[in-house]
Amino acid sequence: EPEVTQTPSHQVTQMGQEVILRCVPISNHLYFYWYRQILGQKVEFLVSFYNNEISEKSEIFDDQFSVERPDGSNFTLKIRSTKLEDSAMYFCASSPAAGAGSNEQFFGPGTRLTVL
Amino acid sequence: GENVEQHPSTLSVQEGDSAVIKCTYSDSASNYFPWYKQELGKRPQLIIDIRSNVGEKKDQRIAVTLNKTAKHFSLHITETQPEDSAVYFCAAREETGTASKLTFGTGTRLQVTL
Repeated sequence: EPEVTQTPSHQVTQMGQEVILRCVPISNHLYFYWYRQILGQKVEFLVSFYNNEISEKSEIFDDQFSVERPDGSNFTLKIRSTKLEDSAMYFCASSPAAGAGSNEQFFGPGTRLTVL
Repeated sequence: GENVEQHPSTLSVQEGDSAVIKCTYSDSASNYFPWYKQELGKRPQLIIDIRSNVGEKKDQRIAVTLNKTAKHFSLHITETQPEDSAVYFCAAREETGTASKLTFGTGTRLQVTL
């Protein structure tokens, strides 16, 4: 069964450094998402992406964050200048479409980001 | 925006007993309610979902009920087994035909003891 994949599984970085988290959504999916989960807390929405543009973003997704679909398979999340509070598990998700019956969002295994 | 509350935060049951987790949502426009199971260090995985045009859905030992008027929905697990131990998240979403977000509850840690 196809799955969303993410790399790396764990990223350690120094405060102020840029990081790029990579995701490969399921191949026939059209909608892409990033969520984050701070340790022990709930999953929080960051951004959704469709047709090569952002559909929606949360207040967490400020100017330090950006997303890109550089080719037909990858979907990336960039944090320009990391802060300590960016330490979290970042999940990529994808869904085939937005209509009823095809709405399930499939999550990747996550990238644990640790900012020192 | 949508706000989802979830209770209890932890739940311990004996193997074979039932477990019930409850969620409330605030936005009456929400019409899709999935439940995700997350094992330690793993990705959230969808276990069951329900849309607002039905009141109940069942899949083997798992069932979900929805009360649109009261804006609450519940997960019921019967005949619990040790492998049911995990964190369960409810979520809500408005299906708009676009890439609409999931708003998650705070999670319930279910422990099934022998």
